[in-house]
Amino acid sequence: AQTVTQSQPEMSVQEAETVTLSCTYDTSESDYYLFWYKQPPSRQMILVIRQEAYKQQNATENRFSVNFQKAAKSFSLKISDSQLGDAAMYFCAHTAGAGSYQLTFGKGTKLSVIP
Amino acid sequence: EAGVAQSPRYKIIEKRQSVAFWCNPISGHATLYWYQQILGQGPKLLIQFQNNGVVDDSQLPKDRFSAERLKGVDSTLKIQPAKLEDSAVYLCASSLDLIRTEAFFGQGTRLTVV
Repeated sequence: AQTVTQSQPEMSVQEAETVTLSCTYDTSESDYYLFWYKQPPSRQMILVIRQEAYKQQNATENRFSVNFQKAAKSFSLKISDSQLGDAAMYFCAHTAGAGSYQLTFGKGTKLSVIP
Repeated sequence: EAGVAQSPRYKIIEKRQSVAFWCNPISGHATLYWYQQILGQGPKLLIQFQNNGVVDDSQLPKDRFSAERLKGVDSTLKIQPAKLEDSAVYLCASSLDLIRTEAFFGQGTRLTVV
C-alpha cells in the first residue's frame, strides 16, 4: 500500500524566517511525482511545488524549495522568508505512478506564521 | 481561465437522507476526480473519470455512493443513504489528461450529517 507520512501535525515560524516541513512516503513505483499542496481556510488545494522522481535536481519555486532524497523516500519542503499568507495546512502527496495522476496524501501539517 | 466549480459549498442533512454534489471541471479537462477529506486527514480518492468513463472507483463505497459524468463534462456525486461518518469535505479536481499534468481543485463541499 502506498502511504505518505507527515510527522509534524503543527509547525510555527516567525515572519521572514525559514521553516522546513517533513514528509516521508512509501511506494513500489520507480517513476512517480511528488507534490506539496497548500490548503488555506477556503479549502481549495493549491499546488505549491512538484518534483519528478526521475530528476535528481531538487525543485524550486520562488521561496519554496524541496529536499528530495529518493533512496530514503523523503521529500521535505523549505519555505524561505515566510509571509503571513503562507499560514495554511500543507499536504505532501505522491502519484500512483508515472501513468496516473491519482494522489495519495499525508495527514497534513498546520503552519502558523507569527508576525 | 475559470477554475473548478463545485456546489453547494455547505450541506447539512440528517442520517439516512440523500445528498448530491455537483462539479464543473475546467473547460477541456478530460480527467475528473472526486476526493473525500475527513476532518484532520488528507484527501482520499473516491473515483476517477476519464471523459465519461470510470478509470478507478476502487475506494468508492458503492453500497451508498454513486457518481456519474454525463457527456464527459459535469459530474455528480451522490450519497444515499448518508451515515454520520460521511461528514467530510468533498473535493472535485480536474486535469487535462491522465498523466503528467497538474490537477486543479475546487473549493469543495462541506457535508455535515447529523
